Amino acid sequence: KAGVTQTPRYLIKTRGQQVTLSCSPISGHRSVSWYQQTPGQGLQFLFEYFSETQRNKGNFPGRFSGRQFSNSRSEMNVSTLELGDSALYLCASSLTGPSYNEQFFGPGTRLTVL
Amino acid sequence: AQSVTQLDSQVPVFEEAPVELRCNYSSSVSVYLFWYVQYPNQGLQLLLKYLSGSTLVKGINGFEAEFNKSQTSFHLRKPSVHISDTAEYFCAVSDAIRNTPLVFGKGTRLSVIA
Repeated sequence: KAGVTQTPRYLIKTRGQQVTLSCSPISGHRSVSWYQQTPGQGLQFLFEYFSETQRNKGNFPGRFSGRQFSNSRSEMNVSTLELGDSALYLCASSLTGPSYNEQFFGPGTRLTVL
Repeated sequence: AQSVTQLDSQVPVFEEAPVELRCNYSSSVSVYLFWYVQYPNQGLQLLLKYLSGSTLVKGINGFEAEFNKSQTSFHLRKPSVHISDTAEYFCAVSDAIRNTPLVFGKGTRLSVIA
């Protein structure tokens, strides 16, 4: 069974630009969650999508958005990048939701904002 | 809102020695608890989880954790560590009643010394 894949693995952008990250969940998983990981703040929940609907949202500004497609693949977008957006962005999939199901994490996308 | 405190940011331990990584969570009526491990340049992998039932939970790679409701703790233990256990360990909690997304602690860096 293929794991969770994330593309690209590394990205370098400049302030003010926008970026789109992609996540392909494990086949059959309908829930996709996104997290931001930084040394200072640790792992912070961004949002969760289930069957193309955003079901939960973390405490991030509106510059962070996402969507899920009918095949459960998900994208997240960050507009007007700031230096503080530099982080490892992790995607995780689970069967029906992250609260009690095991989440399977991808390797992450390392975003550097210059 | 739920919160998780991992009391030690770094834990050095000699190979074959026992280790305990501490985790405390903010009180809630009913919680789900998880331990995840992150190896360098990888995503997170589930070690074990507590949903209900026995308070002693056994996981992969010889790890176990004990749920203590009165002390709101979920400490992770291993009787004998190996070099390959060197990694970052994250404790996470979710509200079982409201099925909230996982809230992660800031992680404990376990370094196993030969």
